[in-house]
Amino acid sequence: GEDVEQSLFLSVREGDSSVINCTYTDSSSTYLYWYKQEPGAGLQLLTYIFSNMDMKQDQRLTVLLNKKDKHLSLRIADTQTGDSAIYFCAESPGYSTLTFGKGTMLLVSP
Amino acid sequence: EPEVTQTPSHQVTQMGQEVILRCVPISNHLYFYWYRQILGQKVEFLVSFYNNEISEKSEIFDDQFSVERPDGSNFTLKIRSTKLEDSAMYFCASTPQGGPLGDTQYFGPGTRLTVL
Repeated sequence: GEDVEQSLFLSVREGDSSVINCTYTDSSSTYLYWYKQEPGAGLQLLTYIFSNMDMKQDQRLTVLLNKKDKHLSLRIADTQTGDSAIYFCAESPGYSTLTFGKGTMLLVSP
Repeated sequence: EPEVTQTPSHQVTQMGQEVILRCVPISNHLYFYWYRQILGQKVEFLVSFYNNEISEKSEIFDDQFSVERPDGSNFTLKIRSTKLEDSAMYFCASTPQGGPLGDTQYFGPGTRLTVL
């Protein structure tokens, strides 16, 4: 079945860039998403990218998609302590459910 | 900005009891979902619902689970006889129809279910 893999932990200093990586197996993935989960809170949609795109930029967020390698990344520029959270990669063929990764815990230190 | 809401935020129950988790999806959305996240594990799909019927369900969604849209605004998940392993965070999500974000799922804040 479909699978989404992410590294579990990333630690950066405030002001640095963070790059969170994700790989997926489903070749029919049409939509790829990044969700953010702060402690005790729900899943907040951060950004998404269609599979026919290579890159999407949204303020401090840059999403890169390498469809050949089935690799997705999320870059957060000028990372702040408020960016500390768990970041989930998810994929969907576009008509059905989301398949999530286990999440990457991002810890931003001052 | 419209958002998905869920109640209660935390539910504690005894094993074997029935629980109903409630969700109010975004008002113009047509597709509804339940997911769960056991502590430390992945977010897992349970069920999707469209046009007043289940459109897809996972292996987790057995006969102990049911969903309902009783009044056109609420979307509920019922667990008939809870087990210890049902302890998890349960997320509701909804999806608008059509448009470039037609399939983007918007999640509620979750209900933490603790079964003792």
